[in-house]
Amino acid sequence: SQTIHQWPATLVQPVGSPLSLECTVEGTSNPNLYWYRQAAGRGLQLLFYSVGIGQISSEVPQNLSASRPQDRQFILSSKKLLLSDSGFYLCAWTRTSGTDTQYFGPGTRLTVL
Amino acid sequence: GQNIDQPTEMTATEGAIVQINCTYQTSGFNGLFWYQQHAGEAPTFLSYNVLDGLEEKGRFSSFLSRSKGYSYLLLKELQMKDSASYLCAVKGAGSYQLTFGKGTKLSVIP
Repeated sequence: SQTIHQWPATLVQPVGSPLSLECTVEGTSNPNLYWYRQAAGRGLQLLFYSVGIGQISSEVPQNLSASRPQDRQFILSSKKLLLSDSGFYLCAWTRTSGTDTQYFGPGTRLTVL
Repeated sequence: GQNIDQPTEMTATEGAIVQINCTYQTSGFNGLFWYQQHAGEAPTFLSYNVLDGLEEKGRFSSFLSRSKGYSYLLLKELQMKDSASYLCAVKGAGSYQLTFGKGTKLSVIP
């Protein structure tokens, strides 16, 4: 069976500090991968998605970036965090064929102070 | 673009039936998804509709009318653990992405 992991689970960072969140998927190959942010009281906002190693599509211009160094690894980064970067960050995966149901990881709750 | 509307909050009684509606306007359509999200947790997949009609899965059913741009999620025999947010999401034609509504927060009361 497939599982998706994210770490860390929670993170408190000062404004201006760097960020690295990691997501890995097990039990499948060549998945599509997604990063979402969910701010308090708001819906899920798609940040990035990837259909293969080194292939990243950005949906929202901001101070975040994403990378996919390996088939089942997806990383979200920032060089300098802003207060507005606080939120619940979710990684998701889908198979490359079929219904494209997205399955979410447990999430990382980021607080920028 | 995509626009998805669902009620912000609903309250229902334990043991009752509740219907959560979702309307959408999209440029192309390739499926509608419902997710459940408990407070502080990640969304979990509930149902998928791509053709018109009703899909039943235990206590949960989901309906789709593509001509009306309308779906609902029906929860029967409500339990306290059903208190959660329910997210409607639409996949556009030829797209890798899902567009999510803001979610409906359901509170189940005794």
